[in-house]
Amino acid sequence: GESVGLHLPTLSVQEGDNSIINCAYSNSASDYFIWYKQESGKGPQFIIDIRSNMDKRQGQRVTVLLNKTVKHLSLQIAATQPGDSAVYFCAESFGNNRLAFGKGNQVVVIP
Amino acid sequence: DVKVTQSSRYLVKRTGEKVFLECVQDMDHENMFWYRQDPGLGLRLIYFSYDVKMKEKGDIPEGYSVSREKKERFSLILESASTNQTSMYLCASSLGGGGVGKLFFGSGTQLSVL
Repeated sequence: GESVGLHLPTLSVQEGDNSIINCAYSNSASDYFIWYKQESGKGPQFIIDIRSNMDKRQGQRVTVLLNKTVKHLSLQIAATQPGDSAVYFCAESFGNNRLAFGKGNQVVVIP
Repeated sequence: DVKVTQSSRYLVKRTGEKVFLECVQDMDHENMFWYRQDPGLGLRLIYFSYDVKMKEKGDIPEGYSVSREKKERFSLILESASTNQTSMYLCASSLGGGGVGKLFFGSGTQLSVL
């Protein structure tokens, strides 16, 4: 909801610059990862996903990188726009029909 | 487009009341989920269902129950609401067929228990 961004790590980025949002996941057995975007007053919205047999996947203006060695996931947003201002969540699944979400990162785009 | 609809955007209830939160999805998804979202805590799974009349506890099921009588509808029930259940509640669905897949979320219900 409106207060979901409180107490979160915040990344401030100039409009037009690239953004990198990082996420450390917890389970080395996780085999599926997703990034979600949540704008104020809305539910989370799917951005991009990646399976553990891949290191990189690209979408429209977004790239997800997976480093299984250090259990690290990142989301890169190219040419950040004001509409990219939101809270971004990573989530992992280890084949048990459920997702575990991180606590989120707030991205603020400066015009 | 998948649509997940939650019946109420805002609800205000009193301590001890029985509360029903309703969720409907229109894409014939097998899996449905209820999460609560609190500032600084992210999304925490309350219950999920992978088929009609089936349910499994998530990470924080205490104080909640669920009902899935029809494939498209998943209800979250607070038997006796308490102030610590004031939260944003998010319903989601996914296709199923092995693994969780991509979740589609509703817009959320902000519940205040006074």
